[in-house]
Amino acid sequence: KAGVTQTPRYLIKTRGQQVTLSCSPISGHRSVSWYQQTPGQGLQFLFEYFSETQRNKGNFPGRFSGRQFSNSRSEMNVSTLELGDSALYLCASSLLRDPSYEQYFGPGTRLTVT
Amino acid sequence: AQSVTQLDSQVPVFEEAPVELRCNYSSSVSVYLFWYVQYPNQGLQLLLKYLSGSTLVKGINGFEAEFNKSQTSFHLRKPSVHISDTAEYFCAVIPTGGFKTIFGAGTRLFVKA
Repeated sequence: KAGVTQTPRYLIKTRGQQVTLSCSPISGHRSVSWYQQTPGQGLQFLFEYFSETQRNKGNFPGRFSGRQFSNSRSEMNVSTLELGDSALYLCASSLLRDPSYEQYFGPGTRLTVT
Repeated sequence: AQSVTQLDSQVPVFEEAPVELRCNYSSSVSVYLFWYVQYPNQGLQLLLKYLSGSTLVKGINGFEAEFNKSQTSFHLRKPSVHISDTAEYFCAVIPTGGFKTIFGAGTRLFVKA
């Protein structure tokens, strides 16, 4: 069974640009969550999607957005990039929105903003 | 609101020695508790979780954790560590009725030969 895949794995962008990151969950998983990991702030929850609907959102500005498609694949978008957006972005998938079901994490996309 | 505090940012330990990584949480509602491990350049992997029942939880790779409700703690232990256990460990909670994971800042375990 293939794991969670994230593309691209590495990305370099310039301040002011926008970026789209992709996450393909494990087959059959319907919940996808996104996290930002930085040395200073640690792991912070961005948002969670289930059945194409955003169910939870973390404390991030509106420049951060996401969506989920009918096949459960998810994308997140960051517009008007700032230097502080440099981070490892992790996505995780779960069969259902229930803590008894394990969340499986992808390897992440490392975004560098220059 | 919930918060998770991992009391040690780094823990150096010799191979085959026991180790305890400490985690305390704060929450106005009941929570589910988790420990994850992250190896360099990889995502997170679940080590173990506490949902209900026995307060001593056994996980993968010989790790175990004990839930202490009165002390709001969920410390992770391993009786004998290996070099391959060198990684970053994260304690996390999900509030009951929710599905938003709150992580601690992480503890870097460094196992020395």
